[in-house]
This record gives sequence, structure tokens and C-alpha cells, in this order.
Amino acid sequence: NAGVTQTPKFQVLKTGQSMTLQCAQDMNHEYMSWYRQDPGMGLRLIHYSVGAGITDQGEVPNGYNVSRSTTEDFPLRLLSAAPSQTSVYFCASSEGSGYTFGSGTRLTVV
Amino acid sequence: GQQVMQIPQYQHVQEGEDFTTYCNSSTTLSNIQWYKQRPGGHPVFLIQLVKSGEVKKQKRLTFQFGEAKKNSSLHITATQTTDVGTYFCAGPEADSNYQLIWGAGTKLIIKP
Repeated sequence: NAGVTQTPKFQVLKTGQSMTLQCAQDMNHEYMSWYRQDPGMGLRLIHYSVGAGITDQGEVPNGYNVSRSTTEDFPLRLLSAAPSQTSVYFCASSEGSGYTFGSGTRLTVV
Repeated sequence: GQQVMQIPQYQHVQEGEDFTTYCNSSTTLSNIQWYKQRPGGHPVFLIQLVKSGEVKKQKRLTFQFGEAKKNSSLHITATQTTDVGTYFCAGPEADSNYQLIWGAGTKLIIKP
């Protein structure tokens, strides 16, 4: 099993550009979520989903959209990138006992 | 609101010394989870404790869940360079099957 796969690993965007961070899991987990982690900081929840067709906002949702059309995929869209969105983004999935994280996307907005 | 506090923020130790991080919740938790994040890496699930007073060991790591299910600790005996990283505790949000409230993490630093 690959677990949770995130692409790309690194990305540089210009202010105002949009992009989609991809997240896929092959463990048939119902729950998926997106976090951002700023340097030296903890994890902040952006959006989450408890199943296909269901999404909800976390602690810091502004500037981001998500969709969950399948159990496997949970893409995160940045609508109009801002320097404040420079961060490392982690996708995680769970069956209810422990999260499995992807390896992260390191995003820089210039 | 529901909070999980974790201390200390940093701990510097000599290799071979012990390390402990503490986690305290504002509410009773159904379980507590511990994760390790190596520098430049992603959080990795270590363990989940469910029972009041539970103690679990993984080699040199000892995890405890308090009797009131509101606090927990992770103790590492005789630290090694491979233990370097940030250790996070997390507990479930009330009335949620999946959502976690995260501690801020304790960074273990080995003195040169």
C-alpha cells in the first residue's frame, strides 16, 4: 500500500496564481483532512471530509477550497495565492484510530 | 473551547539522557494519540492510549494516560540521535469520530 500520496512535493507560485494540491489514499479511509504547518509551529486544520461528497471547514479555511468526489481523492485548491499561504501542507487520512499523513507539499508564494 | 496543552515547547538533552513531554486536556478524552515528526518530515503515528491509567511501552518509549483521562506523558529513556524531532499529542474533539485537537508539540534537541 502506498498510504497517503501528495503531489507536488515542492511548488513556487506567484501572488494571485491558483493551483491544486493533490492528495490520494489507498486505504479506503472515510476521513481525510488538510493541515498547514508554518515554520516551528504546530498543525492547523484547513478543511476536512468524513466521506465522499461531504466536506467541512477547519480552523483556517479562508483562501482554500476542497472537494471529495471519491473516497480516495481529496484535492486542496488555492484560489488566489498570497504570501501568507507560504507553508508546508499535509494531507492526512484516518479510519478512526490514528492519522496517516502524506509526506507534504512545501509551497512558497512570492 | 476544548484545548490540549503540551509542555515543554523545547527540551535540550545530552545524548543518553532521558526526555519527557507532558500533555494536558481541558476535557476528558476518549483516547490520546502520540505522533513523531522528524525534522523536514511528516507526523508519524506512534500510539493510541484508550484506558484510564494505561501504560504502554515501545522499546525506550513509555506512554502513560492519566487516571482521569485528561493528561498523558511520553518518556524516552537514554535518548539517541534517532529520537530527534517534535513529539505531538492529540485528543479527539468531543462528539467527533475523527477530529483531533493537537498539542503544540515538544521539540527534542540533542546537544552536540
